[in-house]
Amino acid sequence: LAKTTQPISMDSYEGQEVNITCSHNNIATNDYITWYQQFPSQGPRFIIQGYKTKVTNEVASLFIPADRKSSTLSLPRVSLSDTAVYYCLAPPRSARQLTFGSGTQLTVLP
Amino acid sequence: DAGVIQSPRHEVTEMGQEVTLRCKPISGHNSLFWYRQTMMRGLELLIYFNNNVPIDDSGMPEDRFSAKMPNASFSTLKIQPSEPRDSAVYFCASSNNQGAGGYTFGSGTRLTVV
Repeated sequence: LAKTTQPISMDSYEGQEVNITCSHNNIATNDYITWYQQFPSQGPRFIIQGYKTKVTNEVASLFIPADRKSSTLSLPRVSLSDTAVYYCLAPPRSARQLTFGSGTQLTVLP
Repeated sequence: DAGVIQSPRHEVTEMGQEVTLRCKPISGHNSLFWYRQTMMRGLELLIYFNNNVPIDDSGMPEDRFSAKMPNASFSTLKIQPSEPRDSAVYFCASSNNQGAGGYTFGSGTRLTVV
């Protein structure tokens, strides 16, 4: 399984754009980059997934360079409610199970 | 769909007692997962089922832990006897095997063993 490394914590202010970078140097051809978000007292929730270049949805954007050894989750104009732990995963496309790392604790300040 | 439903939401029990956690997956999902989350160890996969059959239980910490999935709409995780170190939040998740983005987690059961 591809090992992912991401910052333990980040602080931001309301209205700012937040970029969380994840490195996955040993990512395999069949692996997809996937991000989950976990609010306190809730289970993780899928945010976005991509294979290469850029993916955008109503919640976030995911930027993946050509070598795919890293990826960046971009949250536009964060609010206090975006305070959560963000997990980067790189499982195979047909993954049967998900293995979570430590995640990045994002704290949005007023 | 109401999502993955777990019960109880909170459980406080005395050491040595039996604890049973329950999970109802999303209808149509054919894989079910039990995770445990603590501050020290993060999210750990305990066991997962595919089509009601246990596939990988290598994450189950000890024989005190057991899980069953008698049908596609129900699963239990049992701890007997419980110990204080079992205190954690236990999450159930289900998926439709459509990739890593297809996993849905429940709200968890916070277990406290005193």
